[in-house]
Amino acid sequence: GENVEQHPSTLSVQEGDSAVIKCTYSDSASNYFPWYKQELGKRPQLIIDIRSNVGEKKDQRIAVTLNKTAKHFSLHITETQPEDSAVYFCAASKLSGGYQKVTFGTGTKLQVIP
Amino acid sequence: DTEVTQTPKHLVMGMTNKKSLKCEQHMGHRAMYWYKQKAKKPPELMFVYSYEKLSINESVPSRFSPECPNSSLLNLHLHALQPEDSALYLCASSQERGNTEAFFGQGTRLTVV
Repeated sequence: GENVEQHPSTLSVQEGDSAVIKCTYSDSASNYFPWYKQELGKRPQLIIDIRSNVGEKKDQRIAVTLNKTAKHFSLHITETQPEDSAVYFCAASKLSGGYQKVTFGTGTKLQVIP
Repeated sequence: DTEVTQTPKHLVMGMTNKKSLKCEQHMGHRAMYWYKQKAKKPPELMFVYSYEKLSINESVPSRFSPECPNSSLLNLHLHALQPEDSALYLCASSQERGNTEAFFGQGTRLTVV
């Protein structure tokens, strides 16, 4: 089955600095890579996603890159703000018989220090 | 409407109780999921329904019993739970075709006493 590794497990940055979270996956059939942000006590919410036919995607301060050959994908947050503090989960997904087979990474707790 | 609604938000139950968690979505998604999430861990898949049929049971103990009465509703029936079953239970839904995001409900915080 799919295995997703995520690093680092915790990350502290000063407000305004950049944050980078890295993930690797094992199943070459995975072709959809969402990133979820989860604030304490709340639901995971999608912040950005990328499909396997794309190498990079950007949405304002957030960008994701994908290297299919190396099976790596990364989340980049620029100009971090205190409200970016949360746990971030990467995931690798593939469509399987009418549903998404999603495997989550172990999570990164991001703390943005004002 | 891009909401997945779960009830109740919080539930405290004894080990001999029977309770049910409910989930509803009106996005026309035909894939629905139950996840269990312990503190500081990622969501862990329990069950998947596709077109109202159970597609995946990730070796979940029989004290958890899922039900999908129709394409908009998903239930999780709980009976004789253990304290270690205390967790956040998340429902999610997604389209059954194409690679698209899963929408999560706000979860039910379950405490077994």
